[in-house]
Amino acid sequence: QQQVKQSPQSLIVQKGGISIINCAYENTAFDYFPWYQQFPGKGPALLIAIRPDVSEKKEGRFTISFNKSAKQFSLHIMDSQPGDSATYFCAASKYYALNFGKGTSLLVTP
Amino acid sequence: KAGVTQTPRYLIKTRGQQVTLSCSPISGHRSVSWYQQTPGQGLQFLFEYFSETQRNKGNFPGRFSGRQFSNSRSEMNVSTLELGDSALYLCASSRGGTGGEVEQYFGPGTRLTVT
Repeated sequence: QQQVKQSPQSLIVQKGGISIINCAYENTAFDYFPWYQQFPGKGPALLIAIRPDVSEKKEGRFTISFNKSAKQFSLHIMDSQPGDSATYFCAASKYYALNFGKGTSLLVTP
Repeated sequence: KAGVTQTPRYLIKTRGQQVTLSCSPISGHRSVSWYQQTPGQGLQFLFEYFSETQRNKGNFPGRFSGRQFSNSRSEMNVSTLELGDSALYLCASSRGGTGGEVEQYFGPGTRLTVT
């Protein structure tokens, strides 16, 4: 069964806007939550990751918000740019087996 | 530092054949994980190797196997190929130790088409 649920499936945002992608997980044993960005024909690239002992982590325009009690986490992309148009995957793991969400296709329009 | 490399990049095989895919991790990384990516099922974990030992295994049939060599390079093998095995096979490497360095870095993948 899908251990990580991701929404929305697709997202269209205007340049300069905020893109928000949400994920929910079931297994409370998960202790590592990364986000990956994938362009067509490429492998996923690690964007940012968080551990459950912090509620927020920011790196540049990318921020993860983490809610342990709700078992939810989200990715915020500030000042979204056309170059951010890609598929984004959330994941959760214990040890090294990443459980991925189904992905969100983001399109940032000029 | 060079990234994760995978060979070959593209492969076409016939149903019933077997295939071997190769992965060279980032220098200094000792853990190698394999994932299958399909449009329907998304990204699914196959297995993870550390110091030549399989440490984690996903929910795939025994036709899918792997191994890791002493230089941390890894291969995965799929026997008796089925049409449903057509996918992008991704390898990811990580330092793999117990120090909390669990970040996984992916290679470009091998696109396998089974006809």
